[in-house]
Amino acid sequence: EVQLVESGGGLVQPGRSLRLSCAASGFTFDDYAMHWVRQAPGKGLEWVSGISWNSGSIGYADSVKGRFTISRDNAKNSLYLQMNSLRAEDTALYYCAKAKGEYGSGSYYFESFDDWGQGTLVTVSS
Amino acid sequence: DIQMTQSPSSLSASVGDRVTITCRASQIISTYLNWYQQKPGKAPKLLIYSASSLQSGVPSRFSGSGSGTDFTLTISSLQPEDFATYYCQQSYSTPGFGQGTRLEIK
Repeated sequence: EVQLVESGGGLVQPGRSLRLSCAASGFTFDDYAMHWVRQAPGKGLEWVSGISWNSGSIGYADSVKGRFTISRDNAKNSLYLQMNSLRAEDTALYYCAKAKGEYGSGSYYFESFDDWGQGTLVTVSS
Repeated sequence: DIQMTQSPSSLSASVGDRVTITCRASQIISTYLNWYQQKPGKAPKLLIYSASSLQSGVPSRFSGSGSGTDFTLTISSLQPEDFATYYCQQSYSTPGFGQGTRLEIK
């Protein structure tokens, strides 16, 4: 059974940093692209960032480009999101999601997200 | 960036109804279109991928169609557990979601 467990969320002041982690199990982690998707309270889904299986293809939403960095450690079956210069509008539940792999693409996109964690809440407030 | 527009934003329907939700992309995305269901307090769940392929374990009353820029999600006979919010998502390029369609009980 696929399990994705996010951690690292919390209350942080504007301008500060936070690092999210996603521990993966139940599948061959280094076979799949991975993503972060967020959802502000009462709002819709917003894709944040994605990374291919070998970290060779990485993408970011315009809203976080230059502030957030996605990475993965295939030896530890873990995905990370380093979030710097946090803003109030970054307040959201952050989900880790696994790409389905239906195309076997070497890119971070093209594929749907077939497994999701339960999310970790990030609150940016003074 | 490719913009995804869903319609309607909300919808009231009854158990047994046939429901259709539409998603339009701002440019051609072939069939790189996926549909998700989200219930309150839960993570999204993949229903349909590649525009028309049913995800394993998803009931056959859910179906998807379309290509290019226009797509639909159809629920053939609504069940009580189907009342939720539905999102389309394009994966042709940097992924993006539609704004969601909230399906409520009439």
